[in-house]
Amino acid sequence: GDSVTQMEGPVTLSEEAFLTINCTYTATGYPSLFWYVQYPGEGLQLLLKATKADDKGSNKGFEATYRKETTSFHLEKGSVQVSDSAVYFCALNQGGKLIFGQGTELSVKP
Amino acid sequence: GAVVSQHPSWVICKSGTSVKIECRSLDFQATTMFWYRQFPKQSLMLMATSNEGSKATYEQGVEKDKFLINHASLTLSTLTVTSAHPEDSSFYICSARDPRQNNNSPLHFGNGTRLTVT
Repeated sequence: GDSVTQMEGPVTLSEEAFLTINCTYTATGYPSLFWYVQYPGEGLQLLLKATKADDKGSNKGFEATYRKETTSFHLEKGSVQVSDSAVYFCALNQGGKLIFGQGTELSVKP
Repeated sequence: GAVVSQHPSWVICKSGTSVKIECRSLDFQATTMFWYRQFPKQSLMLMATSNEGSKATYEQGVEKDKFLINHASLTLSTLTVTSAHPEDSSFYICSARDPRQNNNSPLHFGNGTRLTVT
């Protein structure tokens, strides 16, 4: 079945460092892909999305490009802030349902 | 602002009692809502799909008699954890999609309910 695999965390970075969180997927066809962010004790918020190959989703300085050839949707940010500390989830759309990766915890130190 | 509201945000109950969690769509009518469960430091696992006016569809391994889902109106779905036990302690999150958007559009999530069973 469809699945999503993310790099394991926690990822600890200093403020203003470059961030990459890897995400690869296995799916039939070309599902829409999403990144969600979860702050402590809260639900999930949509960060960005891409609906087809080569699409680039972007929001709040974060970017991810839908790579069909490598079945990847890596999340990047050029300069992280302490406020970016959270858990990040990669997800794909399977017939209307979302299938999530295991989540990657990001901790940004001042 | 939030388009999906979940209540309560946290609840503590004694073993053997039942707990009801509500999920409301605020800006749209949701014929379908999704219930997820999240264990500490783990991913979200889809439990069931709640369908307005009909029975919920449960994922494999989820006990439907344990986790009762009712979707009685287009804006409200409820999850009742019956005869709760400590192993049911978890973070439960509901979500819904605006039906005015297509099936590939993102889900909107509630803020979750932290259930602790003592």
